[in-house]
Amino acid sequence: DIQMTQSPSSLSASVGDRVTITCRASQSISSYLNWYQQKPGKAPKLLIYAASSLQSGVPSRFSGSGSGTDFTLTISSLQPEDFATYYCQQSYSSPPTFGQGTTVEI
Amino acid sequence: QVQLVQSGAEVKKPGASVKVSCKASGYTFSTYGISWVRQAPGQGLEWMGWISPYNGNTNYAQKVQGRVTMTTDTSTSTAYMELRSLRSDDTAVYYCARELIGAAGNNWFDPWGQGTRVTVSS
Repeated sequence: DIQMTQSPSSLSASVGDRVTITCRASQSISSYLNWYQQKPGKAPKLLIYAASSLQSGVPSRFSGSGSGTDFTLTISSLQPEDFATYYCQQSYSSPPTFGQGTTVEI
Repeated sequence: QVQLVQSGAEVKKPGASVKVSCKASGYTFSTYGISWVRQAPGQGLEWMGWISPYNGNTNYAQKVQGRVTMTTDTSTSTAYMELRSLRSDDTAVYYCARELIGAAGNNWFDPWGQGTRVTVSS
């Protein structure tokens, strides 16, 4: 199985900050990388698919980049509703696997 | 709008079985696969398997292979996940999610059901 490693595991930030979360795959996964946001007690929500494509309805302050083994999710200006846990997920090969999550806290 | 609505919370004893439902609306059910993902308390996301409502093909994670069965009922646009021989480490929130496929063959999960909490306790 492809292992996905996110860093950091958690971070503290303030409203208006630029936040970057990284995700590394144990082997090359091309651009087969998705990002999800999960708030406490809620289901995950798709933010970015295919490494850099913004899901419809997701604010443009979210962006994704990378290919191969290294990927980033960037929030350009953190908003109060962005405090959540973020997961990367590879879809290059079965089984699909997720990173361990990055919690963005105040 | 596209929506997946899951059945309610369950409490089961070790060794029992549980069957979770996921009713789809807002799209043609047979067009997209459904994956099941679970999340143990305070933990990350674990993919359990996939089913095609079109032809019933399945692909299960090795960890639950032999204990899980995924089915669909196209007449009601509902997917089901049955997990047998439950043990305490099956305690988790179980999610269904629609699987979309891009032009390059990559795929992603959207939307997700609201989740079903399954508690396994004696």
